[in-house]
Amino acid sequence: QKEVEQNSGPLSVPEGAIASLNCTYSDRVSQSFFWYRQYSGKSPELIMSIYSNGDKEDGRFTAQLNKASQYVSLLIRDSQPSDSATYLCAVNVYGNNNDMRFGAGTRLTVKP
Amino acid sequence: DAGVIQSPRHEVTEMGQEVTLRCKPISGHNSLFWYRQTMMRGLELLIYFNNNVPIDDSGMPEDRFSAKMPNASFSTLKIQPSEPRDSAVYFCASRSGGAGNEQFFGPGTRLTVL
Repeated sequence: QKEVEQNSGPLSVPEGAIASLNCTYSDRVSQSFFWYRQYSGKSPELIMSIYSNGDKEDGRFTAQLNKASQYVSLLIRDSQPSDSATYLCAVNVYGNNNDMRFGAGTRLTVKP
Repeated sequence: DAGVIQSPRHEVTEMGQEVTLRCKPISGHNSLFWYRQTMMRGLELLIYFNNNVPIDDSGMPEDRFSAKMPNASFSTLKIQPSEPRDSAVYFCASRSGGAGNEQFFGPGTRLTVL
């Protein structure tokens, strides 16, 4: 089992819809969870971090964490074409804040 | 702050040549990471440094790969000799201390080995 798993997509949603991105992880002691966005040809940039169970909202983005189910998700409300990118889930593993493992990424396309 | 700086941005070389990638982390960050990204394998951690000391190099694929961090503001990743399968985008990232602090990525170096 991979340490961090994501559906590779592609995921296509119409403009204005909610995009839902999912991620599962295998290390039960993981404490820090991140969502990075990567535009084609660019480097990953952090859009959300979450450390506690529940929801965390930042503008149109909501991260959801369920440690019991080892599941983290990202919701994008009112999706815009500019949200079209690959979204990478990242998890610190083995209780090590420096050891971050990335999922393969989900490619999202928002159609006008 | 200029962010993480990497050079060169693009490198094309021939198989067997030595390749050196360079990175300048964000000032004040004490952890530095080297990643490799390919379509097949995604984003892989190669090695990371804490306070200039290599902590975990288990992701370095072979002895052909080596990394150094002679001071807090500079790191290199060297491939000698290079092979076509080393073609990838190599990212450097840095992070300040503390729990949960994010990693900031540089723009990457796109390496093509012919």
